[in-house]
Amino acid sequence: ETGVTQSPTHLIKTRGQQVTLRCSSQSGHNTVSWYQQALGQGPQFIFQYYREEENGRGNFPPRFSGLQFPNYSSELNVNALELDDSALYLCASSWDRNYEQYFGPGTRLTVT
Amino acid sequence: QKEVEQNSGPLSVPEGAIASLNCTYSDRGSQSFFWYRQYSGKSPELIMSIYSNGDKEDGRFTAQLNKASQYVSLLIRDSQPSDSATYLCAGSGSARQLTFGSGTQLTVLP
Repeated sequence: ETGVTQSPTHLIKTRGQQVTLRCSSQSGHNTVSWYQQALGQGPQFIFQYYREEENGRGNFPPRFSGLQFPNYSSELNVNALELDDSALYLCASSWDRNYEQYFGPGTRLTVT
Repeated sequence: QKEVEQNSGPLSVPEGAIASLNCTYSDRGSQSFFWYRQYSGKSPELIMSIYSNGDKEDGRFTAQLNKASQYVSLLIRDSQPSDSATYLCAGSGSARQLTFGSGTQLTVLP
């Protein structure tokens, strides 16, 4: 059974640029959630995708957007990057919306 | 603001002792609770889930839930140096998103 994978591992971008982060869900999982974790803090919910539809969104601006594909993999897009966007971005997959979430290794984004 | 609060750390215990980690939550709609372990520089790893009042044991770990008091705890028996990590408490309600506390850093001293 393949776990959750994310790419890239690390990324350095300049303020104002755009970035796309990718996530492959665990085999058999149809739900993907994205979280942002700043240093020393717990993860903050960005949004969740269930069967290619957005199924909930946290308190993040519209420049954070996402997508889920028919194979349940997902992308997180962030436009107009700001310095405060520097964080660890985590993807978690679950068998369904109400079930346990398993995290991928994360993407460390640095905005300079 | 729906919040999850964890007891402030860091927490240090000697090897072989019981480590007790506590968490309170404000959203009475929260139905499911989870404990994640996060090693420095790594992603959170699910170690326990609990859905109903009472205790749930898994190996050296025991999760406790008291919905009336809005309280969740994690006990780690026979603590080992490899248990040294940040422990994150998370709750999930009808919105299905996980709301995390800021974590408690645990150090197990050899």
